[in-house]
Amino acid sequence: EAGVAQSPRYKIIEKRQSVAFWCNPISGHATLYWYQQILGQGPKLLIQFQNNGVVDDSQLPKDRFSAERLKGVDSTLKIQPAKLEDSAVYLCASSPGGSSAKNIQYFGAGTRLSVL
Amino acid sequence: AQSVTQLGSHVSVSEGALVLLRCNYSSSVPPYLFWYVQYPNQGLQLLLKYTSAATLVKGINGFEAEFKKSETSFHLTKPSAHMSDAAEYFCAVSTGFQKLVFGTGTRLLVSP
Repeated sequence: EAGVAQSPRYKIIEKRQSVAFWCNPISGHATLYWYQQILGQGPKLLIQFQNNGVVDDSQLPKDRFSAERLKGVDSTLKIQPAKLEDSAVYLCASSPGGSSAKNIQYFGAGTRLSVL
Repeated sequence: AQSVTQLGSHVSVSEGALVLLRCNYSSSVPPYLFWYVQYPNQGLQLLLKYTSAATLVKGINGFEAEFKKSETSFHLTKPSAHMSDAAEYFCAVSTGFQKLVFGTGTRLLVSP
């Protein structure tokens, strides 16, 4: 079974530029997550989708971050404009969905963003 | 609100020694707990999970963890460390609605 695919793997931009990340979850997984992992910290949830609807975006800085999951499959996360503090690894994860809290999340390799 | 605390940002062991990585949780409801491992430049991989069945949970690569309600702990252990175990380890608690809250991680260093 193919895993969670993310691209690009690395991105270097200057502050105030825009950037987009792409994620393709495991086939059939209804739930998709975007996490931000700052160096030395654990992943922090930015947004959670159930199919193509947003379940939780309470920690998404909506003045600069946006995300969409058209057709309930792949997803893009955008930052516009980027700030220095956005330098981090952005992880995408997916899970089968449903109401069980036991569902395992499967992670992609992440996109490492450096904002100069 | 649910949370986890991982004691020790770095743990160093010799190859063949016991590995013990500590995790304490805070939860107002019976928790589901997870350990994930992250190798350099890779995403997180599930090691094991506790979902209210057996309190001693066995995972991949020889790791296991014991759920202790009285101590609100879910420590990760491995009897004998290998060089390949060097990685960052994250404890996480499920908050319901399939959300995970992660600890700050513990980097395991294994010396020959």
